[in-house]
Amino acid sequence: KAGVTQTPRYLIKTRGQQVTLSCSPISGHRSVSWYQQTPGQGLQFLFEYFSETQRNKGNFPGRFSGRQFSNSRSEMNVSTLELGDSALYLCASSLHPPGDEKLFFGSGTQLSVL
Amino acid sequence: GENVEQHPSTLSVQEGDSAVIKCTYSDSASNYFPWYKQELGKGPQLIIDIRSNVGEKKDQRIAVTLNKTAKHFSLHITETQPEDSAVYFCAASSSYGKLTFGQGTILTVHP
Repeated sequence: KAGVTQTPRYLIKTRGQQVTLSCSPISGHRSVSWYQQTPGQGLQFLFEYFSETQRNKGNFPGRFSGRQFSNSRSEMNVSTLELGDSALYLCASSLHPPGDEKLFFGSGTQLSVL
Repeated sequence: GENVEQHPSTLSVQEGDSAVIKCTYSDSASNYFPWYKQELGKGPQLIIDIRSNVGEKKDQRIAVTLNKTAKHFSLHITETQPEDSAVYFCAASSSYGKLTFGQGTILTVHP
């Protein structure tokens, strides 16, 4: 069974640009969560989707958005990039909403904003 | 919302020693406490979890203990090996709630 796939693996952008990251969950998983990981802040929750509906959202500005498609694949978008957006963005999938479910993480997309 | 504090931020042990990582949480409604291990270049992977109706759980060399009254839980690794070197994250959540992670502990096991 294929794991969680995130593309691209690495991304370099400049300030002011926008970026779209993609996540393909494990087959059959309907929940996708996104996290931002930085050395100083650990894993910060961005948002979570289940069956195309956003169920939970973290404390990030409106520049961060996401969506989930009918095949459970998910994308997140960051507009007007800032230097502080440089981070590893992790996607995780689970069979059901993740409250007490095992999360399966992808390897992440490393975003560098110059 | 939930707040999870994790200590220590770095831990260095000799091979064969035990390692203990501790976490505290703030939301008394939390009832699920997983631990994740992240190796270099990879995403976190679940290594053990515990639910609020259980005080302790073991899986070979790793164990987790939970004290609901004090709102803290701990990860114990015995007979550490170099391959245990990684970043460990604790987390807490309530049913169908979002998972909140601790800041992480960098564990280094010296041969």
